Amino acid sequence: NAGVTQTPKFRVLKTGQSMTLLCAQDMNHEYMYWYRQDPGMGLRLIHYSVGEGTTAKGEVPDGYNVSRLKKQNFLLGLESAAPSQTSVYFCASRSRGSNYGYTFGSGTRLTVV
Amino acid sequence: TQLLEQSPQFLSIQEGENLTVYCNSSSVFSSLQWYRQEPGEGPVLLVTVVTGGEVKKLKRLTFQFGDARKDSSLHITAAQPGDTGLYLCAVFNTDKLIFGTGTRLQVFP
Repeated sequence: NAGVTQTPKFRVLKTGQSMTLLCAQDMNHEYMYWYRQDPGMGLRLIHYSVGEGTTAKGEVPDGYNVSRLKKQNFLLGLESAAPSQTSVYFCASRSRGSNYGYTFGSGTRLTVV
Repeated sequence: TQLLEQSPQFLSIQEGENLTVYCNSSSVFSSLQWYRQEPGEGPVLLVTVVTGGEVKKLKRLTFQFGDARKDSSLHITAAQPGDTGLYLCAVFNTDKLIFGTGTRLQVFP
């Protein structure tokens, strides 16, 4: 089982460039999430989705957009990258229902120069 | 203000030692989860505790949920280098998890 797959694993962008991070899960999970992880800041929620076609803002949504056109995929877009968006990005998914844990991908390390 | 405070932030110990890390809050939670994150990987769920006072064991790891469901602890007996990683506690806020900032554990052989 692949679980949660994130692509790409590494990327370097120049300020102002755009890119899309892809998250794919094969567990038929309803909920999907995008977090960023920065030293000393922990995991902070960017956007999330509770089902196909739905998205919602998290704690730090500015500068990011998301789409969930298919249940298994959750895309995170950066329209105009800034150095402050240098981070490690994690996607996660889980089943509907209380107390189910997240399954995380292995992350995308993004550097904006 | 962080909803979940984890302590200590960093811990370096020798193989074979025992240790306890803590996750504290002023809020009451219906459940709490612990994750471990190894370098270069995403966090992996270790346990979910639900009942106040609950104790769960996972091999050499013992998890406890406080009686008032405001705090939790993770105790590792006879730590091994394979226990090295970032330990995160997390609680649900509606449909999403809120994470603490973690305890980074290094176990030296």
